[in-house]
Amino acid sequence: SAVISQKPSRDICQRGTSLTIQCQVDSQVTMMFWYRQQPGQSLTLIATANQGSEATYESGFVIDKFPISRPNLTFSTLTVSNMSPEDSSIYLCSVGGYRGKGEQYFGPGTRLTVT
Amino acid sequence: QKEVEQDPGPLSVPEGAIVSLNCTYSNSAFQYFMWYRQYSRKGPELLMYTYSSGNKEDGRFTAQVDKSSKYISLFIRDSQPSDSATYLCAMSDEGNLIFGKGTKLSVKP
Repeated sequence: SAVISQKPSRDICQRGTSLTIQCQVDSQVTMMFWYRQQPGQSLTLIATANQGSEATYESGFVIDKFPISRPNLTFSTLTVSNMSPEDSSIYLCSVGGYRGKGEQYFGPGTRLTVT
Repeated sequence: QKEVEQDPGPLSVPEGAIVSLNCTYSNSAFQYFMWYRQYSRKGPELLMYTYSSGNKEDGRFTAQVDKSSKYISLFIRDSQPSDSATYLCAMSDEGNLIFGKGTKLSVKP
């Protein structure tokens, strides 16, 4: 499985500001995913980031709010823009599996609190 | 009806007990089934991966998939305090992973 790191591990931000979260993988991967995990809720996919193309966003998530970069096959960033307290959550990146379809491996997450 | 239903618990058991965790789903196209374990303040860790129906065993863990009933289970034998975590079921039909809300398990010494 891949080793995935995220920065920052946690942050407390002011309303109206933006935060960029970094995700680094120790091997080249085609697909990277960004999720949001809110208390008491299922992991929710924000978008899929493919190298060399625009990210694909899920229903309810838009590029202006969550711009994503994927400059190479081992790195991606997610920006949470113009933050409000409702954006307080854990943000996770993951990569697709190697044994078959469906499996994913997750980073440790970024715990974001917006005040 | 949500695509994946999972009882959030919390579930508390004594050390050594057999634990049964379950999820039901509505999409008959799902064919890849996973269980993730998530410790507090950590990312989800893939625990079990099953394709289609049947059982899969790995040490103290057994995953079962019953596609006719749209029901999956994870059994933990001889549970240990180190098994205390939130367990997430997840499934897909070659598309996106759909997760349950997770069941919080506490194993008391």
